[in-house]
Amino acid sequence: SQQGEEDPQALSIQEGENATMNCSYKTSINNLQWYRQNSGRGLVHLILIRSNEREKHSGRLRVTLDTSKKSSSLLITASRAADTASYFCATDKSGTYKYIFGTGTRLKVLA
Amino acid sequence: DTAVSQTPKYLVTQMGNDKSIKCEQNLGHDTMYWYKQDSKKFLKIMFSYNNKELIINETVPNRFSPKSPDKAHLNLHINSLELGDSAVYFCASSQDGSPLHFGNGTRLTVT
Repeated sequence: SQQGEEDPQALSIQEGENATMNCSYKTSINNLQWYRQNSGRGLVHLILIRSNEREKHSGRLRVTLDTSKKSSSLLITASRAADTASYFCATDKSGTYKYIFGTGTRLKVLA
Repeated sequence: DTAVSQTPKYLVTQMGNDKSIKCEQNLGHDTMYWYKQDSKKFLKIMFSYNNKELIINETVPNRFSPKSPDKAHLNLHINSLELGDSAVYFCASSQDGSPLHFGNGTRLTVT
């Protein structure tokens, strides 16, 4: 299976704490993206990091990419109850428009 | 304005029936996708069309047939529905490898 894996599968933290999610993938990539999915909704794009980038920031989000280890991490700082959702990484296999999603991390932020 | 819209939102039907799900995007994107999300939240790519041409066709039973009448529409027809087809089906679109824009999904329940 080409599916990437994310860990942890589930994460429960208090509001104000930081949340870190990890993603591993299997093939060479053009870019890696992170998406959020609220319950009962479609996925929403959060951030894209290209294969030649190592770190990227967007507001309270920080993404790192290590292509030698085929892994990425998403850090959400100062979490809020509204951050409660499932988070997925997706990789774009080089030369294709085929986006392969990871298994997802379910984040619960307690108020 | 909804960028990617799917209908219906819910679909309950009996085994053996044939059903269709429709998707429309108003973003002007060239590429559209169908993804299947199972009960464990795993997202699997099924099909992708680029300018009405099929470019990705994963290992999907041939009971599933996508149709793209124009680049703004991608429909999914399913014949002889089975219990295992129960899932949430997501339509998405993108342009030249840009991030995916997802619809809110169609929850299909086969009884």
